[in-house]
Parts: sequence; C-alpha cells; structure tokens
Amino acid sequence: SQTIHQWPATLVQPVGSPLSLECTVEGTSNPNLYWYRQAAGRGLQLLFYSVGIGQISSEVPQNLSASRPQDRQFILSSKKLLLSDSGFYLCAWSRLSMNTEAFFGQGTRLTVV
Amino acid sequence: KQEVTQIPAALSVPEGENLVLNCSFTDSAIYNLQWFRQDPGKGLTSLLLIQSSQREQTSGRLNASLDKSSGRSTLYIAASQPGDSATYLCAVSGDYKLSFGAGTTVTVRA
Repeated sequence: SQTIHQWPATLVQPVGSPLSLECTVEGTSNPNLYWYRQAAGRGLQLLFYSVGIGQISSEVPQNLSASRPQDRQFILSSKKLLLSDSGFYLCAWSRLSMNTEAFFGQGTRLTVV
Repeated sequence: KQEVTQIPAALSVPEGENLVLNCSFTDSAIYNLQWFRQDPGKGLTSLLLIQSSQREQTSGRLNASLDKSSGRSTLYIAASQPGDSATYLCAVSGDYKLSFGAGTTVTVRA
C-alpha cells in the first residue's frame, strides 16, 4: 500500500531563517506531488506541483521554492522566512494527473516568530 | 478560475441526526470531485471520490452526489456520531489542480 510521510509535524522558526520541509511517498512510482498551504478559515492553496524529477510548477509568486531531487521526494524550501509564511503545509500525491484520487500527508505546522 | 464554496461554514447537530453538507463550484469542466475529512491539526483523509461521469458514490454511512451541470455536490452522513465531528472539505480537480472549498466544521453532540 502507498503511504506519504511529511516532517516535521511542527516547526517554530525565526524571521529570516531558512526552511526545509520534506515529503516522501512509498509504495508507488512516478507520482504527481503537490505542496498546499492552509490558512485558518480558508481553503487550501496550491503552492507547487511536480509531475516528475526536476519538474516543478509554481502556482503563486511567493517566498518559497520547491524541489524534487528523487522520484518520490518533494522538498519545500525558503532562504529567508517571513512572518507571512506561517501556516499549515500539506504535501499530497496522486497517480497520473489529478484526475485520480489525491492522498495527503499529516501536515507541518510552521510558525514564524 | 474555479471557485468552490461550502455552505454552511459550521454545523452542530445531536447524535443520530443525518448530516447534509453542500459544495458548489463555478466551472463545470471538472474531472472529479473529492470529499475529505480533516481533524484539528491533522492532514486530510479522503472519504469519497466521484468521477465526473458519475452521479453518486457511497461508502458505509456516507453518500455523495454530484450534479456537474449545476455545479453542485452534497455529502450525506447518516445517523451521525460524535466521532463524525471534524471539518469536511470538498475539492474539484482539473488540470493537475485540486481547488478546495473552505470547509464545513461539524460538531455532533452526544
């Protein structure tokens, strides 16, 4: 069966510090991978998606970047965090395109102080 | 741009009552619609997936309907239990993206 791992679960970082959130998927190959951010009381916002190694699409201009160094690994990064980067970050995967069912990780609560 | 709306934003019912959660979307050109459950501080758990060619999908006490032409979906939860308390999110897919509603937070009172 397929599983998705996301870590850390919580993170408190000072403004201006770097960020690295990691997501890995097991039990499948060549998944589509996604990073979402969830703000309180609002829907999930798609930040990045990837259909293959090294292939990253950005949905919104922002202070964050994403990389996919391996088939089942997706990393969300920032060189210098802003207060506005605080939020709940979720990684997701699906087979082929988003026409199939999507599965989410347990999320990372990021607080920038 | 796809806009997804969920009404009501919050719902409180006594145990045993049936739940009806609504989702509407503006662009009917979707591939599928998915209902998720989210517990506080946790990730999303997929409940039901309805392909665009389907009218409904059932899993246990859950039944979801889809009317693509009118841009609507409804999630029915029969005989609610306190363990059903959570936030329920609907999402529609198109072009590698899932567009989400803000969710309906459900409280089932024992």
